[in-house]
Amino acid sequence: GQQLNQSPQSMFIQEGEDVSMNCTSSSIFNTWLWYKQDPGEGPVLLIALYKAGELTSNGRLTAQFGITRKDSFLNISASIPSDVGIYFCAGHRTLNAGKSTFGDGTTLTVKP
Amino acid sequence: NAGVTQTPKFQVLKTGQSMTLQCAQDMNHNSMYWYRQDPGMGLRLIYYSASEGTTDKGEVPNGYNVSRLNKREFSLRLESAAPSQTSVYFCASTLGTSGTSSTDTQYFGPGTRLTVL
Repeated sequence: GQQLNQSPQSMFIQEGEDVSMNCTSSSIFNTWLWYKQDPGEGPVLLIALYKAGELTSNGRLTAQFGITRKDSFLNISASIPSDVGIYFCAGHRTLNAGKSTFGDGTTLTVKP
Repeated sequence: NAGVTQTPKFQVLKTGQSMTLQCAQDMNHNSMYWYRQDPGMGLRLIYYSASEGTTDKGEVPNGYNVSRLNKREFSLRLESAAPSQTSVYFCASTLGTSGTSSTDTQYFGPGTRLTVL
């Protein structure tokens, strides 16, 4: 089946630093999604991207849908302690977001 | 407005036992989903229901059955639990399934942590 390679697997950064993570796939996706999961909770959607080349921001978060449709990145600027969590990328080709393929996640630790 | 609720939050089963995980949403969403999340991995789709009265297999359906009881509720049943089914199970819902609009936004429940001994 489709697979997403998400990197890095984990990041340890200082508060105030910028963060960048990305996902790549061997398959084309029509939609890219970025989620955050806090400990003991379900994932929460951060940003959804629907067009190749699209660059979308949500506060300190910026994500881009790669031109080739096979990759996406997420940037977090000026990290704060509450950014701690696991970030997942997900993509889907069908007309059903629930059939997304998820990456394995990037665990972010922010040191005050 | 509670969003997506799941019961129970934690469960320990012995191999061979059966149980049903319950999920309900109060957002009048049409589509509902069951995922499992294993340590260090992303979510994998078990079953989904695009609309009331329909269910379809996802990526990892073996060992599970589902019931879309009504528009609000979507249950997941393990008939004969196995240690390989130890995982965290998430239910989610979306308003629609168009794939290109905000109706696609998935809302997840808090999860059920299942251990099979």
